[in-house]
Amino acid sequence: TQLLEQSPQFLSIQEGENLTVYCNSSSVFSSLQWYRQEPGEGPVLLVTVVTGGEVKKLKRLTFQFGDARKDSSLHITAAQPGDTGLYLCAGGAYNTDKLIFGTGTRLQVFP
Amino acid sequence: DTGVSQNPRHKITKRGQNVTFRCDPISEHNRLYWYRQTLGQGPEFLTYFQNEAQLEKSRLLSDRFSAERPKGSFSTLEIQRTEQGDSAMYLCASSSYQTDTQYFGPGTRLTVL
Repeated sequence: TQLLEQSPQFLSIQEGENLTVYCNSSSVFSSLQWYRQEPGEGPVLLVTVVTGGEVKKLKRLTFQFGDARKDSSLHITAAQPGDTGLYLCAGGAYNTDKLIFGTGTRLQVFP
Repeated sequence: DTGVSQNPRHKITKRGQNVTFRCDPISEHNRLYWYRQTLGQGPEFLTYFQNEAQLEKSRLLSDRFSAERPKGSFSTLEIQRTEQGDSAMYLCASSSYQTDTQYFGPGTRLTVL
């Protein structure tokens, strides 16, 4: 069974702080997607990474896919209250088209 | 560009009743997925269609659950004889054959009383 574990589960920080969320697995994935989800809404795609070692930047967000394609990280610089939400990583497996989702990291940024 | 849409957004039903949800994918996407998400958890895969063919079903999809995509466009997910444990957010996503990236709809929140 493929599992993706995210850490930390909860993160509560002040506006302006930096943070990193980790997504780890013992399995290799063909791609890794990061989503942000607001309460009562569906996940909204932030980024897809497909190459081992790949780094993508989206304004203050930096995403990295591990060299072995088993792990990923999301780094937010100078967090803002608008970054508050549930961050989900999801891996695309080689032998199926479904996504395997991580356990989620709930981020709260206080002004 | 129209995203994935789901109806209804909320459904409250009594235990034992049948419910049906609808998903309209992004128009050029041939793949459609259903996931279920319970409070505090990430979404869990239920089933997947490529065009009108249902290619994969999770063990989570008991015989009370059935999904269809008759013309390869919209899809329906029906739950028969609902149980309180069916209460969850039901999410639909779509993708094109060219990419792994899945785009999600807003979800249908089901509450079984």
